[in-house]
Amino acid sequence: GAGVSQSPSNKVTEKGKDVELRCDPISGHTALYWYRQSLGQGLEFLIYFQGNSAPDKSGLPSDRFSAERTGGSVSTLTIQRTQQEDSAVYLCASSPAGSPDEKLFFGSGTQLSVL
Amino acid sequence: GNSVTQMEGPVTLSEEAFLTINCTYTATGYPSLFWYVQYPGEGLQLLLKATKADDKGSNKGFEATYRKETTSFHLEKGSVQVSDSAVYFCALRGANAGKSTFGDGTTLTVKP
Repeated sequence: GAGVSQSPSNKVTEKGKDVELRCDPISGHTALYWYRQSLGQGLEFLIYFQGNSAPDKSGLPSDRFSAERTGGSVSTLTIQRTQQEDSAVYLCASSPAGSPDEKLFFGSGTQLSVL
Repeated sequence: GNSVTQMEGPVTLSEEAFLTINCTYTATGYPSLFWYVQYPGEGLQLLLKATKADDKGSNKGFEATYRKETTSFHLEKGSVQVSDSAVYFCALRGANAGKSTFGDGTTLTVKP
């Protein structure tokens, strides 16, 4: 596709349920990032994938959060046993090769609401 | 670790006013520096960047200069327009690549 695609765009779930958020990066981009944007706050880094290297998971807030990237392309962020504080916009971004001077291309995000 | 500190908002200006949004950073080595913008209802997009000391990034009338001596990357525009109303994020990417670190964002509202 032309840009980074995220689905769903909105997700409402009940506390305690599991959710999966999907990211389809720009074709050919080897680097993929997940960030979280809470209301009125900045971007909180969650996880970073670069090619076949082990992902940088240093930003995952708890063991309820996990992510995988299959075939070096599509990524899924899974939140188990969701809590109300998980409510946020989850942003995915990709970049061509993970070089320091590359810009990130962002998707439109998934708005997650935990009731 | 790396960090970015942005001027707190929100910022409200009249059209044609001068804009400065301060950004300072902490990083090891020589990071690349970025300003991203998020217009209402849209995703984040790159506004400008600078990859080495004394470089000036510019786009759409906005400018920012990479100041290593003051570890700053302040965003400026000489005459803002209503259409510049958005949230602005300062960010850095370390010399060893990896994740980008973002500031908390500054909301700019420009009134006619």
